[in-house]
Amino acid sequence: QSVLTQPPSASGTPGQRVTISCSGGSSNIGSNNVNWYQQLPGTAPKLLIYSNNQRPSGVPDRLSGSKSGTSASLAISGLQSEDEADYYCAAWDDSLNGVVFGGGTKLTVL
Amino acid sequence: EVQLLESGGGLVQPGGSLRLSCAASGFTFSSYAMSWVRQAPGKGLEWVATISYSGGSTYYADSVKGRFTISRDSSKNTLYLQMNTLRAEDTAVYYCAKVAARTGTSSLCDYWGQGTLVTVSS
Repeated sequence: QSVLTQPPSASGTPGQRVTISCSGGSSNIGSNNVNWYQQLPGTAPKLLIYSNNQRPSGVPDRLSGSKSGTSASLAISGLQSEDEADYYCAAWDDSLNGVVFGGGTKLTVL
Repeated sequence: EVQLLESGGGLVQPGGSLRLSCAASGFTFSSYAMSWVRQAPGKGLEWVATISYSGGSTYYADSVKGRFTISRDSSKNTLYLQMNTLRAEDTAVYYCAKVAARTGTSSLCDYWGQGTLVTVSS
């Protein structure tokens, strides 16, 4: 059971907009930044969004992040087949004194 | 170009020990915290441990506390994970990751290695 809660799966057709939620608590998302990672099949995770809503260089602006209270979300617009991957949210947890990850969301492009 | 290259994985019997290494290059290793994150077969990401830039502070997941030790050697630009009293549930791909901060209290890993597989089985 992960400390951060994500839906196990999400799907959309090419061109659609999908959102992935990440729910936590006051000791993690409520008081620290959220980061999002993308893991393509058979590869290492890659930083996708940092500090709630910032994109690293090279990440297209059709990907965006937001945070409100103890929840965060990742939005992908103009869905493409290359977006098919697993997505994880993460945050520092002040109570556990460690990093907590969401369980991951498998995004399928139909 | 930042590169992180893990090594040391393999097959080990329950109760055994293993030491993982992560050779870092392309950045000032001594200026950043470093983390280990693992992924069991078919499962999600699990944070294992983090060490601050100086090595003065370390943080561990409860699942490995007392059994695993994270350390670093800035003269060799290398991160280590000493794993003792290994259990079947420690079977996973272990990733080394650079933390985008000096302290260890961050979940922001901006670069990841390709991982090394540890299998604990008799």
